[in-house]
Amino acid sequence: QSVLTQPPSVSAAPGQKVTISCSGSSSNIGNNYVSWYQQLPGTAPKLLIYDNNKRPSGIPDRFSGSKSGTSATLGITGLQTGDEADYYCGTWDSSLSAAVFGGGTKLTVL
Amino acid sequence: EVQLVQSGAEVKKPGESLKISCKGSGYSFTSYWIGWVRQMPGKGLEWMGIIYPGDSDTRYSPSFQGQVTISADKSISTAYLQWSSLKASDTAMYYCVRSPALTNWFDPWGQGTLVTVSS
Repeated sequence: QSVLTQPPSVSAAPGQKVTISCSGSSSNIGNNYVSWYQQLPGTAPKLLIYDNNKRPSGIPDRFSGSKSGTSATLGITGLQTGDEADYYCGTWDSSLSAAVFGGGTKLTVL
Repeated sequence: EVQLVQSGAEVKKPGESLKISCKGSGYSFTSYWIGWVRQMPGKGLEWMGIIYPGDSDTRYSPSFQGQVTISADKSISTAYLQWSSLKASDTAMYYCVRSPALTNWFDPWGQGTLVTVSS
């Protein structure tokens, strides 16, 4: 059971928008920055969003992040088939003194 | 280019020891934390622990404390993850990751080292 809760799967059609939620508590998301990672099939994860809503160089602005209270959301607009991947949220948990991840969300672009 | 390059896949028997490596390049190795993340087959990501090569400050997840040892040799910009006695349940992909601070994000990720433990 992961400390952060994500939906197991989401789907949408090409060109549409999708959001992926990540729910935690005051010991993790509520008081720490959230990051998001994309794991394409058979590859290592890649940083998509850091510090709740910042994009690293090279990440298109179709990807966005937000945080409110103890929840965070990843948004992807203009969906492409190449966006099919597993997406993970992550943050620090001050009670555990450990980094924690969500269980991951599989995105299907129909 | 900032890169983390990990050692190759390993096949071991239960009870054997193992040390896998992660070599950093393209940045100041002693100025960033290096962490390890486990991904069991078909499962999600689990943070194992992290080390600051500058002073060898090391932290472990409660789930992995006592199960593995994380170390680093700053003279060759390499971090290590080791087991003294492997179990079948250690079969997984292991990624090393770079972080600017203890509580921060991870970027980049190494390509992963697949460890298979089977009799």
